[in-house]
Amino acid sequence: KAGVTQTPRYLIKTRGQQVTLSCSPISGHRSVSWYQQTPGQGLQFLFEYFSETQRNKGNFPGRFSGRQFSNSRSEMNVSTLELGDSALYLCASSLAGFDTGELFFGEGSRLTVL
Amino acid sequence: KNQVEQSPQSLIILEGKNCTLQCNYTVSPFSNLRWYKQDTGRGPVSLTIMTFSENTKSNGRYTATLDADTKQSSLHITASQLSDSASYICVVSATPAYNAGNMLTFGGGTRLMVKP
Repeated sequence: KAGVTQTPRYLIKTRGQQVTLSCSPISGHRSVSWYQQTPGQGLQFLFEYFSETQRNKGNFPGRFSGRQFSNSRSEMNVSTLELGDSALYLCASSLAGFDTGELFFGEGSRLTVL
Repeated sequence: KNQVEQSPQSLIILEGKNCTLQCNYTVSPFSNLRWYKQDTGRGPVSLTIMTFSENTKSNGRYTATLDADTKQSSLHITASQLSDSASYICVVSATPAYNAGNMLTFGGGTRLMVKP
């Protein structure tokens, strides 16, 4: 059974640019959630999508957005990048909701903002 | 404010020894508590999930305990192996009726190093 796939694995952007990250969940999982991980703040919840609808959102500015497609694949977008956005961005898929079901994480996309 | 505190921040043990990691939380209302293992540069992998009614759960050499009254959890690793070297993250979930932004609260993790 294929796991959660995130692309790209690594990317470098400059301040002011935007970035789009992709996440393909485990087949049959309808919940996809996104997380930011930094050395200073640790893991923080960004948002969750379930059946193409954003169901929950963490405390991040509107520059962070996402969407989910009918095949459950999800993308997250960060606009007007800031240096502080440098982080490992993880997505996780779940059969049930992200808050009750077991989470299966991808390997992450490491974003560096220069 | 929901918080999850883990201790110690880092730990070094010799291969074959046991160790216990601690997690204290103030998340309310409580839904479940999870332990994850994260190897350097990889995504976290689930070890255990415990609800309010469960006070112990095992996954191979990993045993998690939960005391919902004192809001404490521990992860015990038996007969450690070099491959156990990783960060261990405690995550507490609040019930959906609470502030959605705080539904998942992550601890800062314990970095474990197992030496031969």
